[in-house]
Parts: sequence; C-alpha cells; structure tokens
Amino acid sequence: DTAVSQTPKYLVTQMGNDKSIKCEQNLGHDTMYWYKQDSKKFLKIMFSYNNKELIINETVPNRFSPKSPDKAHLNLHINSLELGDSAVYFCASSLRGGGSSYNSPLHFGNGTRLTVT
Amino acid sequence: EDQVTQSPEALRLQEGESSSLNCSYTVSGLRGLFWYRQDPGKGPEFLFTLYSAGEEKEKERLKATLTKKESFLHITAPKPEDSATYLCAVQALIQGAQKLVFGQGTRLTINP
Repeated sequence: DTAVSQTPKYLVTQMGNDKSIKCEQNLGHDTMYWYKQDSKKFLKIMFSYNNKELIINETVPNRFSPKSPDKAHLNLHINSLELGDSAVYFCASSLRGGGSSYNSPLHFGNGTRLTVT
Repeated sequence: EDQVTQSPEALRLQEGESSSLNCSYTVSGLRGLFWYRQDPGKGPEFLFTLYSAGEEKEKERLKATLTKKESFLHITAPKPEDSATYLCAVQALIQGAQKLVFGQGTRLTINP
C-alpha cells in the first residue's frame, strides 16, 4: 500500500524519558512534516524537511529534534519528556510546492498518541 | 498572523438533512484553502483545495466554496458514513514546504 506510515501508534512513557517516533512514506514525495494535535484537536506544524534539509522549524522546545536520513524518512526524537508533550503527533508528506503550479495536498499518517505520565 | 476559525464546533444532523460548515480565515495572501476529513484514530484525509474566490469543487455529497473571507463545506443529503471531523486549513509556502494553519474543526454526526 502506498502511504505514510508511522510507528509506534501508541507510546506511553514517564516524565524525563527519551523517546523516538519513526515515519516513512512511499509516495515519492520530497517534503515531509511533523504536526502536533493537542487535546483541543488543533493541528499545528512543528517541522518540515525537503530532501533532508530543514525548511520549517516552528517555535518548538529544543528537546524535540527531527532527523531525516533520506527524503522518504523523517523521525522525531524527544528528550526529557514532559507532561505537556502528551498529544497526537502526525507525520505528513507532499511534493514541494512553489511557482504557479498547484500544490499537492499533504498526505498524513495515522498518528502516534504519546502519553507522558 | 494567519488564523482560521471554524463553526460550529459540533453539528448533529439526521440522515438526509442538508447543512453547511463554515471556515473563516485571515491570511496575508491566500495561496490555497484546504478541506480535510478526519475519522477517530486516523490522520486527516484530503478532500479539496480551493485557490481563488468564486471557486467551487464537488465530491459526492460534499461541495466546497470559497469567498475572500470564508469557505463553506456544503453537505447534501448526508449519510451516517459522512460522520467525521472536518478540518479547514490555509496554506503558506516557505521555500516550497507547505505550512498549513488549521482551524479547530467541526465534528459532524449524522444520525440514521
């Protein structure tokens, strides 16, 4: 199946731990994203990579570090987890937009629900 | 700063009862307005992109329209399987990467 897949689907951990979420897409896209959906269901962008280059880096604590080994993979590592990090994290991908061309829509994975206790 | 506000937050309809969802936006130079559908436990699924005022797009029982300040998602004769959260987003391009600013969504429930 062509898709954006992320693992794990659920992640329960204690405060202070370090954890990683992995994302892979086989859609042939060159741009990947991490979005965070909080308890009020707002989706907010965190990071975006294009061909392994960091393009968007929103105001996110530096405990969050994205890594893109190639254009099909984007991982998210979180150090020293805090209670407020509990949320659903979505990976997404698209083709790079720009110019007068219509922009391909983002394709989202099914999310990783992170619970910090 | 780009902002998107959706209303209502939640909407319950009977099967076959048509209605509309609203998305109001303020953005410095609209490049695109997106509608997504999100089912519980799933990621958002793309529905439509609108680029200019007056544009309309249709898919089955859904029709999206766009003005200079808002977009509407019209649902005609909905079925229970149309129950989902519908998200609206405006797009900014940053070096080719799409920064989407989302509204909080409208949770739609269609009762049989």
